Amino acid sequence: KAGVTQTPRYLIKTRGQQVTLSCSPISGHRSVSWYQQTPGQGLQFLFEYFSETQRNKGNFPGRFSGRQFSNSRSEMNVSTLELGDSALYLCASSLDTASSGANVLTFGAGSRLTVL
Amino acid sequence: AQTVTQSQPEMSVQEAETVTLSCTYDTSESNYYLFWYKQPPSRQMILVIRQEAYKQQNATENRFSVNFQKAAKSFSLKISDSQLGDTAMYFCAFMDSNYQLIWGAGTKLIIKP
Repeated sequence: KAGVTQTPRYLIKTRGQQVTLSCSPISGHRSVSWYQQTPGQGLQFLFEYFSETQRNKGNFPGRFSGRQFSNSRSEMNVSTLELGDSALYLCASSLDTASSGANVLTFGAGSRLTVL
Repeated sequence: AQTVTQSQPEMSVQEAETVTLSCTYDTSESNYYLFWYKQPPSRQMILVIRQEAYKQQNATENRFSVNFQKAAKSFSLKISDSQLGDTAMYFCAFMDSNYQLIWGAGTKLIIKP
């Protein structure tokens, strides 16, 4: 069974540009969550999608957005990049985080974004 | 607001020893889930163990077990017979009622040969 796949693994952008990261969940998983990991702030929740709907959103500015497609694949977009957006972006999938028996998150290897 | 605290930034033990990583959390919720994840240098976050707060019994997974003290809001991880492959960052996490994980700052665990 294939795991959670994130692309690209590494990317370098300059300030002001935008970036799109992709996440393919485990087959059958309908929930996709995104987390940002930085040395200073640690791991922070960005948002969660379930059945193409954003179910929850963390405390990030509107420059951070995402979506989920009918096949459960998800993308996140960051516009007008700032130096502070440099981070490891982790995607995780689960059957359904709202279901007590199915809320285990399986993570991808992450996308390392560097903003210059 | 919910918080998770891991008070040990780094720990180091010899191979085959037992090590305990500490985690405390703060919440007003009565039913929730707690997790330990490990993140090796490859950076893939891997689930170690999961605990449901309404279950009295401590979760175990092979060499990994937890000591869950609900009243004290404590959730420590014990690794028995530690192996070189256990070297990683270990994160304690709390799943809140919005189904998002609140993370601790992590403990860097080094297993020495």
